[in-house]
Amino acid sequence: EAGVAQSPRYKIIEKRQSVAFWCNPISGHATLYWYQQILGQGPKLLIQFQNNGVVDDSQLPKDRFSAERLKGVDSTLKIQPAKLEDSAVYLCASSHGGGWANTEAFFGQGTRLTVV
Amino acid sequence: GESVGLHLPTLSVQEGDNSIINCAYSNSASDYFIWYKQESGKGPQFIIDIRSNMDKRQGQRVTVLLNKTVKHLSLQIAATQPGDSAVYFCAVVYYGGSQGNLIFGKGTKLSVKP
Repeated sequence: EAGVAQSPRYKIIEKRQSVAFWCNPISGHATLYWYQQILGQGPKLLIQFQNNGVVDDSQLPKDRFSAERLKGVDSTLKIQPAKLEDSAVYLCASSHGGGWANTEAFFGQGTRLTVV
Repeated sequence: GESVGLHLPTLSVQEGDNSIINCAYSNSASDYFIWYKQESGKGPQFIIDIRSNMDKRQGQRVTVLLNKTVKHLSLQIAATQPGDSAVYFCAVVYYGGSQGNLIFGKGTKLSVKP
């Protein structure tokens, strides 16, 4: 089966600019996650969707980050305006659903964002 | 909450030797644990998981051990190969909310010397 697709692979922007990332999960996967991975650290959950509804966005910096999954398939993550500390790899993952203990999640290759 | 700690940020082993990567977690209520492998430029890849009602689980060349008494988790890789070189993360499912959050440790970078 095709994996989780993310684009772009790399993005360099200046601080205070806006940026958007796109994710296409594995077909049929109801749950979609966005993670932020700062260099040298483990991934940190930003937001979790179940179909087109938000399950958990408690760690999403809502003053600058937003995400949507309008039709319950593709998702976009936006940062506006970007700060230097947003430089990281943004990972998208998807699973059939039912929470982590019930299904395996598959990660995309990520988008590496550099804010200068 | 839950925090996942790292014992060693880097580990270097000789090809053919066994590797052991350790991890500690803080919340005794956590009941599902996963090891991921992340190669350079790629997303994390599932290796093996274990639930809290088990203390050992084996896969192909990998074994995960769980010690709930001391809240410690380890990944053993038998006959380590150059292709095993990667960053290994332990991750713990913490049910602070309804669906559970996956909390990652910082990772151990495994280097395999030929």
